[in-house]
Amino acid sequence: AQTVTQSQPEMSVQEAETVTLSCTYDTSESDYYLFWYKQPPSRQMILVIRQEAYKQQNATENRFSVNFQKAAKSFSLKISDSQLGDAAMYFCASPRYSGYALNFGKGTSLLVTP
Amino acid sequence: DTGVSQNPRHKITKRGQNVTFRCDPISEHNRLYWYRQTLGQGPEFLTYFQNEAQLEKSRLLSDRFSAERPKGSFSTLEIQRTEQGDSAMYLCASSSVSGANVLTFGAGSRLTVL
Repeated sequence: AQTVTQSQPEMSVQEAETVTLSCTYDTSESDYYLFWYKQPPSRQMILVIRQEAYKQQNATENRFSVNFQKAAKSFSLKISDSQLGDAAMYFCASPRYSGYALNFGKGTSLLVTP
Repeated sequence: DTGVSQNPRHKITKRGQNVTFRCDPISEHNRLYWYRQTLGQGPEFLTYFQNEAQLEKSRLLSDRFSAERPKGSFSTLEIQRTEQGDSAMYLCASSSVSGANVLTFGAGSRLTVL
């Protein structure tokens, strides 16, 4: 079965510090995208960052970056200079065997403390 | 572009009743997805359409669940003979056939079965 594993149910970080959320995935696709989504409390899912598997360079979006290890099927999210507004559930996603729909992990709840 | 719209936002029903949710995707998106999310969990894939064709359906989806996208635009998800275990947030997402297949989510329809 294709699965996405997020081994950290909860993480805490102080404002302005850096935190890394981990994710491992399993897919049979050879070329694919990986995603991190953010879901603030009672609000809808929004895309944080995406990584194309055949690109060796790790994706970066402002304070958000990934550490993509294709052979290990590892895809971690690093948040630098954490802000109070970063507090949310973060979900890692990888493609299903259809190649289009996504499988999501169980999420990591990120708490940002002042 | 008003994003992905879902209605109703919240439905309370009694066990055994039928409910229907509607999703209006982003107009230029031809892929549409339904997910279910329970409290503290990641989105669980239900089904996926490309235009009007239902291309993938989760094995977890019982026969009480049916989804349609008759004209390749909006979609409906119907749950027949609801059970208390159906209580969840039902998320709709859409994506374009080109590019990275980024899923854009709606705000969700919350179902409470009494």
